[in-house]
Amino acid sequence: GAGVSQSPRYKVAKRGQDVALRCDPISGHVSLFWYQQALGQGPEFLTYFQNEAQLDKSGLPSDRFFAERPEGSVSTLKIQRTQQEDSAVYLCASSLVGWGTGELFFGEGSRLTVL
Amino acid sequence: AQSVTQLGSHVSVSEGALVLLRCNYSSSVPPYLFWYVQYPNQGLQLLLKYTSAATLVKGINGFEAEFKKSETSFHLTKPSAHMSDAAEYFCAVSLSGGYQKVTFGIGTKLQVIP
Repeated sequence: GAGVSQSPRYKVAKRGQDVALRCDPISGHVSLFWYQQALGQGPEFLTYFQNEAQLDKSGLPSDRFFAERPEGSVSTLKIQRTQQEDSAVYLCASSLVGWGTGELFFGEGSRLTVL
Repeated sequence: AQSVTQLGSHVSVSEGALVLLRCNYSSSVPPYLFWYVQYPNQGLQLLLKYTSAATLVKGINGFEAEFKKSETSFHLTKPSAHMSDAAEYFCAVSLSGGYQKVTFGIGTKLQVIP
């Protein structure tokens, strides 16, 4: 596609529910990143994929967070047993090559509200 | 590890006035530095980047930034603000040489007053 596409744009979940957020990166982009942006904060790194390999998941805040990219294109971020502190905008970004150059192309984000 | 500090979470300028958004970085090795812009309800968009070539970097929409190693700064400027520049601006850093994270600052919200 022309840009990075994320769905849903908005998600309201009750505490304890599981949620899944989808990211369609730009076609042909090798690298895919997930960031979490809390209100009034900058994006915080969650995890990184190079093709289908998850090379860095050091930013995932707990074992309730899980990400996958099984075929090296679409990625899903799953949050189990959501908590109120999970409320944030979840940003997906892709890059043609590795992330040293930092030229990331971002989607519009998925805004998660946990009640 | 690397980090950036953005001074001023909110900056207001009059239309036509100079825009100056401050960013200082911390890095143990030569960094790559970036400015991203986020318009309301849109994704972040790269404005410009420094990757160890020219220290004065020109970006889109008339913005530029100068890398000053002695001051560990990468401030963003634009000579004359336009109403359409109202947005949130994020400074970011990654480490040169291979596989590294991009770390973002807290952001500066720019308001342009007519």
